[in-house]
Amino acid sequence: QSVLTQPPSVSGAPGQRVTISCTGSSSNIGAGYDVHWYQHLPGTAPKLLIYSDTNRPSGVPDRFSGSKSGTSASLAITGLQAEDEADYYCQSYDSSLSGQGVFGGGTKLTVL
Amino acid sequence: QVQLVQSGAEVKKPGASVKVSCKASGNTFINYYIHWVRQAPGQGLEWMGRINPSGGSTTYAQKFQGRVTMTGGTSTSTFYMELTSLISEDTAVYYCARTRGYCSSTRCFGTSNWFDPWGQGTLVTVSP
Repeated sequence: QSVLTQPPSVSGAPGQRVTISCTGSSSNIGAGYDVHWYQHLPGTAPKLLIYSDTNRPSGVPDRFSGSKSGTSASLAITGLQAEDEADYYCQSYDSSLSGQGVFGGGTKLTVL
Repeated sequence: QVQLVQSGAEVKKPGASVKVSCKASGNTFINYYIHWVRQAPGQGLEWMGRINPSGGSTTYAQKFQGRVTMTGGTSTSTFYMELTSLISEDTAVYYCARTRGYCSSTRCFGTSNWFDPWGQGTLVTVSP
């Protein structure tokens, strides 16, 4: 079981909006550690999508946005495109694990 | 632009050890840390630990303590992750990734604690 909880899968039609939740606890997200999001396509390295809760690296479309509240975070994707079909992971750190990195279990996004 | 290039795929027998390398190039590298993350087939990403290239101090995930050793430094910009006593469940793609800071049980230090960039991944297969 992953320390951070994500839905196993989400889906949406092209052009629609989807959100992916990431639920943690008072020892990780709720403790104030930043949440980061990665997009992972099969056979490639994970790609940084959102850093420090809400920030997009250069080159990431503004269709991707992140938010955080309390012990949870969310990734929203608007204007869904076929190329967005991938696995998405949230990541943070955990005080009960001496600051070790923790990931969500990943969410498979299917573009219908 | 910073790049991390990893060594090639490995096939090992149960009980053996594997050592994966990760070479950094580009605009290196002040106040950075190299982490190792793995993904077993059909599973999610799993953080294994980190090394501070300046000094070589390491922090390992509890799950891997006693079986993993991370080494390397700024002189060669090459880093290694050695995993011993391999079992079939260690079959996975192993990634190295960089941060420009680290986190403790109370707070994070440095300019970034997100993983970027990543190496291309190294498949390690453990099979009799």
